Amino acid sequence: AQSVAQPEDQVNVAEGNPLTVKCTYSVSGNPYLFWYVQYPNRGLQFLLKYITGDNLVKGSYGFEAEFNKSQTSFHLKKPSALVSDSALYFCAVRGLGGGYQKVTFGIGTKLQVIP
Amino acid sequence: NAGVTQTPKFQVLKTGQSMTLQCAQDMNHNSMYWYRQDPGMGLRLIYYSASEGTTDKGEVPNGYNVSRLNKREFSLRLESAAPSQTSVYFCASTSGQGNSPLHFGNGTRLTVT
Repeated sequence: AQSVAQPEDQVNVAEGNPLTVKCTYSVSGNPYLFWYVQYPNRGLQFLLKYITGDNLVKGSYGFEAEFNKSQTSFHLKKPSALVSDSALYFCAVRGLGGGYQKVTFGIGTKLQVIP
Repeated sequence: NAGVTQTPKFQVLKTGQSMTLQCAQDMNHNSMYWYRQDPGMGLRLIYYSASEGTTDKGEVPNGYNVSRLNKREFSLRLESAAPSQTSVYFCASTSGQGNSPLHFGNGTRLTVT
């Protein structure tokens, strides 16, 4: 069975500072990995994905994520946080093979950017 | 281009009542999903439909049924609502290719009293 862990319920960061939101995963074989963002009273929006290739993936709104196969991690990063980045962030994994249609999400990490 | 549209946005039910949550997408996607979101539990998959004519159970299917009416529409039915089904329900769709992201609707907030 595939799973995703987001170890931090909340991350606080000062505006202008770099941010990291952590994610680790467990899946058979090579995974597809995703990050989504959710603003209040809205559905999730896609930020970026890792398929294969470069371990550093760039996405929307200046976000990037670093894939580390040996640590089974896919941490979300941004060099300089904005107050408008405050939201709920979800990491997700989609396994290949027979279960590839199932997308499993972590429990989410609330990012609070302090002015 | 509306994307994924869910109706209704809000609903209050009494225990034992039934209702259907509607979802439609206009992106010609093959796969559609129903998730529920609860505090501290993230998103949990209720049912999904890999393609028109097929449906499969997710992690938490008990108390729910689904219908993939056609390629565009995927409905979720609660036959006899229970307070434990109080949640925010999200419909999502994707083209079905493994590397394609999910597109979400804005959710239905359901309260069962």
